Amino acid sequence: NAGVTQTPKFQVLKTGQSMTLQCAQDMNHEYMSWYRQDPGMGLRLIHYSVGAGITDQGEVPNGYNVSRSTTEDFPLRLLSAAPSQTSVYFCASSYSEAGQPSGEQYFGPGTRLTVT
Amino acid sequence: AQKVTQAQTEISVVEKEDVTLDCVYETRDTTYYLFWYKQPPSGELVFLIRRNSFDEQNEISGRYSWNFQKSTSSFNFTITASQVVDSAVYFCALSEAWNNDMRFGAGTRLTVKP
Repeated sequence: NAGVTQTPKFQVLKTGQSMTLQCAQDMNHEYMSWYRQDPGMGLRLIHYSVGAGITDQGEVPNGYNVSRSTTEDFPLRLLSAAPSQTSVYFCASSYSEAGQPSGEQYFGPGTRLTVT
Repeated sequence: AQKVTQAQTEISVVEKEDVTLDCVYETRDTTYYLFWYKQPPSGELVFLIRRNSFDEQNEISGRYSWNFQKSTSSFNFTITASQVVDSAVYFCALSEAWNNDMRFGAGTRLTVKP
């Protein structure tokens, strides 16, 4: 199993550009999430999904869109990039236990995004 | 909403010293999970432990041990006889059982000097 994969590894954008960060998992996990990591702030949840077709907002959703058309894929779209979105982005997936989220996140390797 | 506080921003020790990383959490839920993750300089996030709110037994895994105390809302992590390879940022995290919203502390950067 490849686990959770993310592309690209690095990206530089100009202010106002849009792009999509890709995330895929091959563990048949129901739950997927996107986090951003900024210095001194730990990881903050952007959006998450509890299954195909179902998404919800996390702690810092503004400026980002997500969709979940399949169990495997959970892309994150930046609509109009801003310097404040310079960060490292992690995608994660997790499984359910007895119909509830296990909470145990399997993380991808991260995407380092710089917005100039 | 839940919250995790890691008051120690950076800790520096000399190899073979014991070190404890503190984690204090807040939640209104009675069922929740607590986690520790390690982020070495290479950047990936490595899962270390999950503990559910009904299991207050302390856990030991090799040189690592965890002390969960609901009375003080703490989930501390101790590394015994630290090694240079333990140098990393360590995150404590909390997830309430009814959703997939995991909240992380700000992390503690541990440096172990030879």
